[in-house]
Amino acid sequence: GQNIDQPTEMTATEGAIVQINCTYQTSGFNGLFWYQQHAGEAPTFLSYNVLDGLEEKGRFSSFLSRSKGYSYLLLKELQMKDSASYLCAVIRSNYQLIWGAGTKLIIKP
Amino acid sequence: EAGVAQSPRYKIIEKRQSVAFWCNPISGHATLYWYQQILGQGPKLLIQFQNNGVVDDSQLPKDRFSAERLKGVDSTLKIQPAKLEDSAVYLCASSLGKGNKNQPQHFGDGTRLSIL
Repeated sequence: GQNIDQPTEMTATEGAIVQINCTYQTSGFNGLFWYQQHAGEAPTFLSYNVLDGLEEKGRFSSFLSRSKGYSYLLLKELQMKDSASYLCAVIRSNYQLIWGAGTKLIIKP
Repeated sequence: EAGVAQSPRYKIIEKRQSVAFWCNPISGHATLYWYQQILGQGPKLLIQFQNNGVVDDSQLPKDRFSAERLKGVDSTLKIQPAKLEDSAVYLCASSLGKGNKNQPQHFGDGTRLSIL
């Protein structure tokens, strides 16, 4: 079956670094997305990985290991506005996205 | 570019009533998705269209839910009759589609449905 696992909730301090992990078991893997979703809002795209390695975009980086079925999202210099849910999603060969339940990130001053 | 448009933003109905949601995707996006998102969970795909054809509707409760995208652009999702467990946010998303797996899905603001 298709399965994506993420921690339910994480807490971090403003200015610090946090790593949100995602493990997946899916067939027909064609890439992995990370989305950010603020409470009451729609998900917004953060990053896409299809090859192994690290993709960096400003304060956010995303890593993928296809052999391990593992990805992480790294957030640096945390700001209060980064408090949100972070969703991991795998795209399959038929363009279907398999979504994780999301990790709620709480930033404390 | 204009984003994905959805309406209404909020809807409150009683159980057993009917409701319809509308979505206008980003211009040129061939693939359109309807998701149901319950609080604290990730989006659950209800139906996926490629132009005006259905690609995946395996998780659509077909006894009460229906969706169409007749001209390959706008889409409507209908629930008839509604049940209490249908209370959720209904998200529409679009993407470029074929040949563009690295292109993200873009989401509308969603319709928050409450069933009384």
